[in-house]
Amino acid sequence: GQQLNQSPQSMFIQEGEDVSMNCTSSSIFNTWLWYKQEPGEGPVLLIALYKAGELTSNGRLTAQFGITRKDSFLNISASIPSDVGIYFCAGGGDDKIIFGKGTRLHILP
Amino acid sequence: GAGVSQSPSNKVTEKGKDVELRCDPISGHTALYWYRQSLGQGLEFLIYFQGNSAPDKSGLPSDRFSAERTGGSVSTLTIQRTQQEDSAVYLCASSPTSTYNEQFFGPGTRLTVL
Repeated sequence: GQQLNQSPQSMFIQEGEDVSMNCTSSSIFNTWLWYKQEPGEGPVLLIALYKAGELTSNGRLTAQFGITRKDSFLNISASIPSDVGIYFCAGGGDDKIIFGKGTRLHILP
Repeated sequence: GAGVSQSPSNKVTEKGKDVELRCDPISGHTALYWYRQSLGQGLEFLIYFQGNSAPDKSGLPSDRFSAERTGGSVSTLTIQRTQQEDSAVYLCASSPTSTYNEQFFGPGTRLTVL
């Protein structure tokens, strides 16, 4: 079945650093979504991408839909303490969405 | 406006007992999804509703799991004869349309089976 490989699994960074994470798949997706989940909460949609090659920003977040439709990345610039959480990518096909296993972001003081 | 709500927020039960988990989607959202999230894992798709019908039940792990949706709104996920491996957070999401884009998640129900 379809699977997403999300990396890195976890990150420990200093406040103010930039962050980059990505998802790859052997399958083609029509949509790429990036979610953030904080403890005790459900995932919250950050960015939705609908077209191959699309580059979209949401404040300090930037995400791109890979030209091959098999990958996507999320960048966070100038990280702040509230960026801590688990970031999930999700690929949308014709019939369902597949989620990656998440990237846990830790920010060191 | 009100988001997706789920109840209970936490449920502790004994092995072998049945449990019911409830989801109230955003008003007007026609699509509703159930996911399971085990500790440190991603989201495992369970079932999808469009209106009151479930065109995709492919993710239900066994026949102990069932779900229904009434009035195109509230959904209940039922787990019969719970097992310890059923312990997880059960997340519900809704979407304005039947496409799988832009799902809005509830806070989840944390189920612990002793």
